[in-house]
Amino acid sequence: GESVGLHLPTLSVQEGDNSIINCAYSNSASDYFIWYKQESGKGPQFIIDIRSNMDKRQGQRVTVLLNKTVKHLSLQIAATQPGDSAVYFCAEAGGTSYGKLTFGQGTILTVHP
Amino acid sequence: GAGVSQTPSNKVTEKGKYVELRCDPISGHTALYWYRQSLGQGPEFLIYFQGTGAADDSGLPNDRFFAVRPEGSVSTLKIQRTERGDSAVYLCASSLHGSGNTIYFGEGSWLTVV
Repeated sequence: GESVGLHLPTLSVQEGDNSIINCAYSNSASDYFIWYKQESGKGPQFIIDIRSNMDKRQGQRVTVLLNKTVKHLSLQIAATQPGDSAVYFCAEAGGTSYGKLTFGQGTILTVHP
Repeated sequence: GAGVSQTPSNKVTEKGKYVELRCDPISGHTALYWYRQSLGQGPEFLIYFQGTGAADDSGLPNDRFFAVRPEGSVSTLKIQRTERGDSAVYLCASSLHGSGNTIYFGEGSWLTVV
């Protein structure tokens, strides 16, 4: 079936570095994409979203890039901090199923002081 | 609080027992969702309510799982004849409406079936 996957299951960076987390999606009908951060023992926390009519969107210290040609999504975190350490999930939805998010497996981001 | 509230936060039950998990969405949110997350995996969709009605229940794994939202606010996920494979975190989420609005998650109810 359709799925969303992540290229890298783990990512380790030094505090202050920029982080890039990647995600591939396979459902060409998807037109809404979201990044969530999940800390241990907690629920997913919304970070940023993007719709398919955009290729870039910026938030506070985060940027999401969408490449529809190759069905690729990335999350860039600037000046990564130890508090950014968590599992990051991309999710996609679209068509008539905006409430039915399909999540990838997740990338573990570890930020070393 | 202002977020999605779920109770209980932890539940241990014996195989074969009946379990209810409760979700109180963000005030004013008409759309409510249930997801299930196993260790090391991303959340998996179970069911989505728009108001009182289930708009999409295609993720419910079998007829032991049932969810209600009788007044369009609080929802209860009900699991009958629990099995060890039902052990997971059950996440509730809500959004202002169902069409592409930001979906906010609660902290989850950790269910362990022994």
